[in-house]
Amino acid sequence: AQKITQTQPGMFVQEKEAVTLDCTYDTSDPSYGLFWYKQPSSGEMIFLIYQGSYDQQNATEGRYSLNFQKARKSANLVISASQLGDSAMYFCAMRGITGGFKTIFGAGTRLFVKA
Amino acid sequence: EAGVAQSPRYKIIEKRQSVAFWCNPISGHATLYWYQQILGQGPKLLIQFQNNGVVDDSQLPKDRFSAERLKGVDSTLKIQPAKLEDSAVYLCASSSQGDLSYEQYFGPGTRLTVT
Repeated sequence: AQKITQTQPGMFVQEKEAVTLDCTYDTSDPSYGLFWYKQPSSGEMIFLIYQGSYDQQNATEGRYSLNFQKARKSANLVISASQLGDSAMYFCAMRGITGGFKTIFGAGTRLFVKA
Repeated sequence: EAGVAQSPRYKIIEKRQSVAFWCNPISGHATLYWYQQILGQGPKLLIQFQNNGVVDDSQLPKDRFSAERLKGVDSTLKIQPAKLEDSAVYLCASSSQGDLSYEQYFGPGTRLTVT
């Protein structure tokens, strides 16, 4: 069975500093994808970044980077130079082949950016 | 490009009443998803359509929930009769057919409160 674990219910970060949001996963799929989404208070889910299990390099998208450690089954999101607008819920998600490409989500981490 | 549209945005009903939610995906997207997001949790897939056929409805409580996607475009999710535990945000998403990395685009969600 596939599982996503986010152990940080809430995180605080000072504006302009970097922050790491943790995500660990469990799967028996030989090939899978890992995602991070942002959910502001308005409610919509916004795609941030994707990492394939066979990608050799860690994914980066602007201020977002994914610290992928396959052996540890972790896929942490790093946000550099935090901005007030980064305050939101962040969800880690996974999709695998044997799961019929169904996406499963973690419980999320609420990030608070302080001015 | 217009995003995923959902209506209504908010709905309050009493238990045992019925309710329906509507979703219009991004034009040309073959795959449509309905997720249930209970407060404090990540989204959980209820049903996935490929065009107008059901791909996965394993987590849909079929005794009270139903969904259809007429003509492979917009979709309706219905709850009848509603229970208190159905209080949640119902998110609709769509995607073009792809592999592990395909991006899901989410609508703003419908917040349901059952009293």
